[in-house]
Amino acid sequence: AAGVIQSPRHLIKEKRETATLKCYPIPRHDTVYWYQQGPGQDPQFLISFYEKMQSDKGSIPDRFSAQQFSDYHSELNMSSLELGDSALYFCASTLRTGAEAFFGQGTRLTVV
Amino acid sequence: GESVGLHLPTLSVQEGDNSIINCAYSNSASDYFIWYKQESGKGPQFIIDIRSNMDKRQGQRVTVLLNKTVKHLSLQIAATQPGDSAVYFCAENMGGTSGTYKYIFGTGTRLKVLA
Repeated sequence: AAGVIQSPRHLIKEKRETATLKCYPIPRHDTVYWYQQGPGQDPQFLISFYEKMQSDKGSIPDRFSAQQFSDYHSELNMSSLELGDSALYFCASTLRTGAEAFFGQGTRLTVV
Repeated sequence: GESVGLHLPTLSVQEGDNSIINCAYSNSASDYFIWYKQESGKGPQFIIDIRSNMDKRQGQRVTVLLNKTVKHLSLQIAATQPGDSAVYFCAENMGGTSGTYKYIFGTGTRLKVLA
C-alpha cells in the first residue's frame, strides 16, 4: 500500500539559506501534519492542513511557512535557516479527522 | 550518527519478559490516543490506538491501558523480542480550531531488549 512520501530524505543547507521540504500524503487523505524532531526529543507539532486550509498551528517559527496544494501534497518552506533548525522533519497524513496518523520516513535537515 | 533517544528515559528488559511503558498525557479533553514505535532514523510507526470510551485494548502482543482519572496511558508488550527495541511515544489527539485534530506527543521511552 502507498505510504506517506517525503522528499528529500536528507538535506544539507548553510545558515541563512532556504529549504523546501515536500510531503505526499496517502491517496485520499485530506489532512497533513508537520512535525519537527530534534536529537533526543519528542516530535513537536508545527502545523496542519485540512482540505488545503491551515487548520492548526503549533510551535512553527515565523521564518517557516507551509501550504497544502490542490493535489493534497504539502510543502514546508524554511527561510533564514539557523543551526538550531537541524532536525528530522516528519509529515503525517490522515484519512479523516481524529483518525490514525501515518508518518513518512522524514527529512533530515542539517544546517551548517 | 543517529542520536534520537539519547536523552530519553530508558527501559531495559530481558528478551522474553513483558515490558510496560508509561505515558502521562496533558489534556483531559483528548479523546483518542495512539502508541507509536520509532526506530532509529525512521518515522513513527503505529502500534495500537484507544479511544477515551475504553480503558483497555488488546492487539497482537500489545495491550494499551487508559486511566482517564489520572490522565495516564500504558503500553504492555508481551514476550519482548529484540525487534521491539526502539523509542516508544504516546500521542494524544487534541481538537483543533477548525474541527480537525492535532497529535501531541509525550516524552518517548527508549526500550532496550537484552539478550
